[in-house]
Amino acid sequence: IVMTQSPLSLPVTPGEPASISCRSSRSLLHSAGYSCVDWYVQKPGQSPQLLIYLGSNRASGVPDRFRGSGSATDFTLRISRVEAEDVGVYYCMQALQTPYTFGQGTKLEIK
Amino acid sequence: QVQLRESGPGLVKPSQTLSLTCSVSGDAISGGNYYWSWIRHLPGKGLEWLGHIYYSGTTHYNPSLRSRLTLSIDTSKDQFSLKLSSVTAADTAVYYCARLRSFYDYRDNYYYYGLNVWGQGTTVTVSS
Repeated sequence: IVMTQSPLSLPVTPGEPASISCRSSRSLLHSAGYSCVDWYVQKPGQSPQLLIYLGSNRASGVPDRFRGSGSATDFTLRISRVEAEDVGVYYCMQALQTPYTFGQGTKLEIK
Repeated sequence: QVQLRESGPGLVKPSQTLSLTCSVSGDAISGGNYYWSWIRHLPGKGLEWLGHIYYSGTTHYNPSLRSRLTLSIDTSKDQFSLKLSSVTAADTAVYYCARLRSFYDYRDNYYYYGLNVWGQGTTVTVSS
C-alpha cells in the first residue's frame, strides 16, 4: 500500500492552522470498522512519536489542537494553532496490513 | 514507564551481517498484546517498517528485505533482536525499535493503539 502525503513542505506562522493530507493507494478500512492510519511526528533530534492512531484517536499526552480525520483512502492531520514546538517531520502510516508503509513525510517549519 | 534501548555496532562492513538488540525495561516483553517492531530512517528519505515479532516468536517481515532479515526474541532477558545479512551501503540508516500495541480479545474484538513507544535510535553505517 502506497501512502502519499502533501504538501512535503509546510511553512506556518505561529498561531495559524496547518493541514497535512495523506492518501492511500487502497482503502484502509478494517473489517472492524476502523481506519487503519496513524500519524507520527519526528521532531529535530528525537525519535518519531505517535500523535494519532486509527485515524482520529489522539495518543496519550497529545494536545487537543491535533486532530486526525478521514476515511477509506483520504486522511488529514490538522493542527488548529501551530506552536514553535510543533516543528518537525510528520508522517502518516498505514497499519491495515504488513508491510506497514509510511508516507514520504511533511516538514513543518515556522515562518 | 516502558523504555526501549537499541544497542549494536555503529559500523558494519559491506556483505557482513548487521546485528542489533533492543532492551525493554519497565514491562515484561512476554506480556502479550504487543508486537515488538523495527523501523529504520534512511538518510535523506523517510521511515521504513522492517518487521515485528510477537512474544511467541511469530514474525512479520517487509518483503523488500527478502530473506536477509531475521527477528528473534528472548523473553528471559526482555530483549528482541534484528539480524540483517549481506548489508550494503543502502542499509546505512538510523534503526529504531518500537512497541506496537495491537490485539484481539476473547470475543474477537480488535484493538490497536499504534507504535506508542520508541527507542532513541541507533545509527548504523555500512562502509569498508
